[in-house]
Amino acid sequence: GDSVTQMEGPVTLSEEAFLTINCTYTATGYPSLFWYVQYPGEGLQLLLKATKADDKGSNKGFEATYRKETTSFHLEKGSVQVSDSAVYFCALHNNAGNMLTFGGGTRLMVKP
Amino acid sequence: GAGVSQSPSNKVTEKGKDVELRCDPISGHTALYWYRQSLGQGLEFLIYFQGNSAPDKSGLPSDRFSAERTGGSVSTLTIQRTQQEDSAVYLCASSPRTTEAFFGQGTRLTVV
Repeated sequence: GDSVTQMEGPVTLSEEAFLTINCTYTATGYPSLFWYVQYPGEGLQLLLKATKADDKGSNKGFEATYRKETTSFHLEKGSVQVSDSAVYFCALHNNAGNMLTFGGGTRLMVKP
Repeated sequence: GAGVSQSPSNKVTEKGKDVELRCDPISGHTALYWYRQSLGQGLEFLIYFQGNSAPDKSGLPSDRFSAERTGGSVSTLTIQRTQQEDSAVYLCASSPRTTEAFFGQGTRLTVV
């Protein structure tokens, strides 16, 4: 079945540091890929998405590129802020199975 | 427009009691998901509804858990004879066909 694997946290960075959160997936067909973010005390919200190979999703300074050859969708940001502290979830939607599958989540803590 | 609405936002119940959790999806969304998120953990898939198709119940942890979706809209997740390990945040999400899912704020269930 489909699966999503992301790096375990917590990831602790200083403000303005470069962020990478790795995400790899296993799926049949050609899934759509997503990053969701959950800020403290809040629900999940979509951060960015990519629907086909080589697409780059971007939002709020975050980027992720759909790499079919490496089955990856790593999340990056050039300069993190304290307000980016949250839990980040990588997910895929498999159009064949119509299922949304999540990774285990990665907690990011940004210190001033 | 209105987002996904879940009620109640918090529920405290005694062990052995039954509880019902409600989800009002975004109007017109054909897909509806239930997930469970335990403290500090990732998302655990519970059940998935898509249009008039039979639901995917593969994630329900035991026969104490059941869910229905009436008229392709509102969904109710029922937990019978609650146990302490059922304590978690129960998240509902809806999706328009094959795009990203939109999450509600969740119901925090505490079994005492």
